[in-house]
Amino acid sequence: GQQVMQIPQYQHVQEGEDFTTYCNSSTTLSNIQWYKQRPGGHPVFLIQLVKSGEVKKQKRLTFQFGEAKKNSSLHITATQTTDVGTYFCAGPCDTGNQFYFGTGTSLTVIP
Amino acid sequence: EAQVTQNPRYLITVTGKKLTVTCSQNMNHEYMSWYRQDPGLGLRQIYYSMNVEVTDKGDVPEGYKVSRKEKRNFPLILESPSPNQTSLYFCASWTGYEQYFGPGTRLTVT
Repeated sequence: GQQVMQIPQYQHVQEGEDFTTYCNSSTTLSNIQWYKQRPGGHPVFLIQLVKSGEVKKQKRLTFQFGEAKKNSSLHITATQTTDVGTYFCAGPCDTGNQFYFGTGTSLTVIP
Repeated sequence: EAQVTQNPRYLITVTGKKLTVTCSQNMNHEYMSWYRQDPGLGLRQIYYSMNVEVTDKGDVPEGYKVSRKEKRNFPLILESPSPNQTSLYFCASWTGYEQYFGPGTRLTVT
């Protein structure tokens, strides 16, 4: 079946350092979504990328969708303690009805 | 306020005792879904529903049932829970763009 892997699984950074998580799918994705889950909370939608090679920015967050539409990345510049949480990528299968989530990257920011 | 609600939020039960986790959304979304979250595995889709009376299996449907009799409700049924179904469960509804998640139900089966 389709698999979506993320690396790293855990990342500890000092406040102010940059952070990147990578998402890799075993199959081509029609689009990729990113979610953030705060400790004890539920996933919250951040963004959706659709086009091959697409790059989107939200303040300190930069999202990229790979040219082959099989990989994606989320980069946070100058992390803050409010960035703490687990970041998930997610994409629909070919029919667009079933969703596959990545394994997640847990970010800890040390003040 | 747009939201997805789930009940109960916490549940401890014993093996074999049937249970239902309710899910309701007030956004008139056609697509609803159930996920389970386990450490190191991310979220895995259990079942999803494209519309009323239309449901389909996700990645891990074994041991679960769902129904969609009304657009707003999508209950998850465990007819004979087992310890390997101990997990954190999320209900979600989808706009076609983003998924809205409920607060989660932490289930422990002993």
